[in-house]
Amino acid sequence: GENVEQHPSTLSVQEGDSAVIKCTYSDSASNYFPWYKQELGKGPQLIIDIRSNVGEKKDQRIAVTLNKTAKHFSLHITETQPEDSAVYFCAASIAGANNLFFGTGTRLTVIP
Amino acid sequence: ETGVTQTPRHLVMGMTNKKSLKCEQHLGHNAMYWYKQSAKKPLELMFVYNFKEQTENNSVPSRFSPECPNSSHLFLHLHTLQPEDSALYLCASSPRTSFYEQFFGPGTRLTVL
Repeated sequence: GENVEQHPSTLSVQEGDSAVIKCTYSDSASNYFPWYKQELGKGPQLIIDIRSNVGEKKDQRIAVTLNKTAKHFSLHITETQPEDSAVYFCAASIAGANNLFFGTGTRLTVIP
Repeated sequence: ETGVTQTPRHLVMGMTNKKSLKCEQHLGHNAMYWYKQSAKKPLELMFVYNFKEQTENNSVPSRFSPECPNSSHLFLHLHTLQPEDSALYLCASSPRTSFYEQFFGPGTRLTVL
């Protein structure tokens, strides 16, 4: 099955700096890559996703890049704010499959 | 809120108890999921229901028994659990299985004594 690795496990940045979280996947058939944000006491919420027919997608301060050849994808958060502090999960899925395969999460702390 | 509610939010049970977790989605979705979230591990998919039919059982022990009476409700019946079953149990829904955003509930924090 698919194996998703996520790094780093913890990340601290100063408010206003950028944060980058990286994931790799093992199954070249994976073609859907969502990113979830989980705040304390809440379930994960989708913040951005990318499909394998594009290399980059942006939504305001958040962007995701995908390198299919190297089988890795990254989340970029610019101009970080304290409310960005949360645990972020990457995931990968194969079209037609039931499963989302998740990474182990990155705890991001934005220091005011 | 995501439109997916879970009750109870916290549950403490002994190893011989029987309890149930409830999930309800108000999004008109047709697929529902149970996940287990343990510290420092990836979210583990447990069960998938599509149009009330179970389409995935990810080798989950029989002490966990799911029930999906309709597309809006999902239950997880628990009996004779072990301490290692203590975790956050998350319910999710999506318009259908595969390739669609999953909307998660807030989870039930389960502690097995």
